[in-house]
Amino acid sequence: NAGVTQTPKFQVLKTGQSMTLQCAQDMNHEYMSWYRQDPGMGLRLIHYSVGAGITDQGEVPNGYNVSRSTTEDFPLRLLSAAPSQTSVYFCASSRTGTNYGYTFGSGTRLTVV
Amino acid sequence: DAKTTQPNSMESNEEEPVHLPCNHSTISGTDYIHWYRQLPSQGPEYVIHGLTSNVNNRMASLAIAEDRKSSTLILHRATLRDAAVYYCILRDIEGGSNYKLTFGKGTLLTVNP
Repeated sequence: NAGVTQTPKFQVLKTGQSMTLQCAQDMNHEYMSWYRQDPGMGLRLIHYSVGAGITDQGEVPNGYNVSRSTTEDFPLRLLSAAPSQTSVYFCASSRTGTNYGYTFGSGTRLTVV
Repeated sequence: DAKTTQPNSMESNEEEPVHLPCNHSTISGTDYIHWYRQLPSQGPEYVIHGLTSNVNNRMASLAIAEDRKSSTLILHRATLRDAAVYYCILRDIEGGSNYKLTFGKGTLLTVNP
């Protein structure tokens, strides 16, 4: 059971470049989310999905797009990278409802120069 | 969202019990209390959750005050591997945001050998 797999683990982008952070889970979880974590801060929600074909914005969605065509995958797209998007990105998944914990991936460390 | 308050940092000695407090005085009747921890350079990891009664699992125990306005995560015998940031999070069973984890800054636990 792989859990939540994020790729790549590290990435350096130039300002203005675009890229996609991949997230896949093999637990048949309905909920999937993307968070970012900046130094010394807690995680902040970027986008989330409650099932295939359904996505919505979190606290800090600007500059990011998501889609959920399958239950397993939830990619995060950076449209035009900016230095302010330098951060560690975590993908997480959970079964529906609050009686379950989230499983997090190991993160993607992104630097925009 | 109901808010939680945790000490910024705590220190413990190896093999001693650790009690990590969390105040949530504005908790509603439908909020679950969740605890996560984040080890250095890793994604958050689910620890335990509860609603009203005390809970035990292989990782920790959760003690919930009778009025539910505070809770305590108990690590029975701290090890060096328990050194992490511990987050106390409320999740509303019924609210439209029950998919969401709102992270504060958590408590940085240092374990001394």
